[in-house]
Amino acid sequence: GAVVSQHPSRVICKSGTSVKIECRSLDFQATTMFWYRQFPKQSLMLMATSNEGSKATYEQGVEKDKFLINHASLTLSTLTVTSAHPEDSSFYICSARGGQTRNSPLHFGNGTRLTVT
Amino acid sequence: DAKTTQPPSMDCAEGRAANLPCNHSTISGNEYVYWYRQIHSQGPQYIIHGLKNNETNEMASLIITEDRKSSTLILPHATLRDTAVYYCIVKPETSGSRLTFGEGTQLTVNP
Repeated sequence: GAVVSQHPSRVICKSGTSVKIECRSLDFQATTMFWYRQFPKQSLMLMATSNEGSKATYEQGVEKDKFLINHASLTLSTLTVTSAHPEDSSFYICSARGGQTRNSPLHFGNGTRLTVT
Repeated sequence: DAKTTQPPSMDCAEGRAANLPCNHSTISGNEYVYWYRQIHSQGPQYIIHGLKNNETNEMASLIITEDRKSSTLILPHATLRDTAVYYCIVKPETSGSRLTFGEGTQLTVNP
């Protein structure tokens, strides 16, 4: 089945630094990937839609200058958390559609646990 | 997107069937029902989806009522590894592939 790989799985960084998270579709091409964020004991919240070769679409309330998304190839999207602060500590998860139709299921990476100290 | 209602938590004995309900009374004709689960500290895992007909795969069965206002996910022989949060999501065809997650049901399988 479709596999989405996320790296790193866990990262600790200091306040004010930037962190890059990679999301790869391993056995399929993904023109669109999705980035979610999940705080403890809460559900997943969609942050942005990453489109290959064009600008990402951000959800309301998500700062595009803080969460930089690049989708330079059909198998790789990256999320960079810039000038991270402790409140950015969260579980970040990416996903991509595994099939060709709009109703093909999304497949998710195993997430990146970000801790900002 | 149509809203879904799920019980916040359920318990099930190991080896027994787990039946997880989902209410989606405002579902419209072109909306699919998807089920995902999330084991603690992992990304969500796709389980099954359907439009009108009941569906079955190696993981589970999906039973959708005739009026499509509710559905039930059935894990036929629950194991301890099935302990997870189960999300029922209704997605209109026109919204592409984006999924909006609700609170889900925490299923705990007990030995």
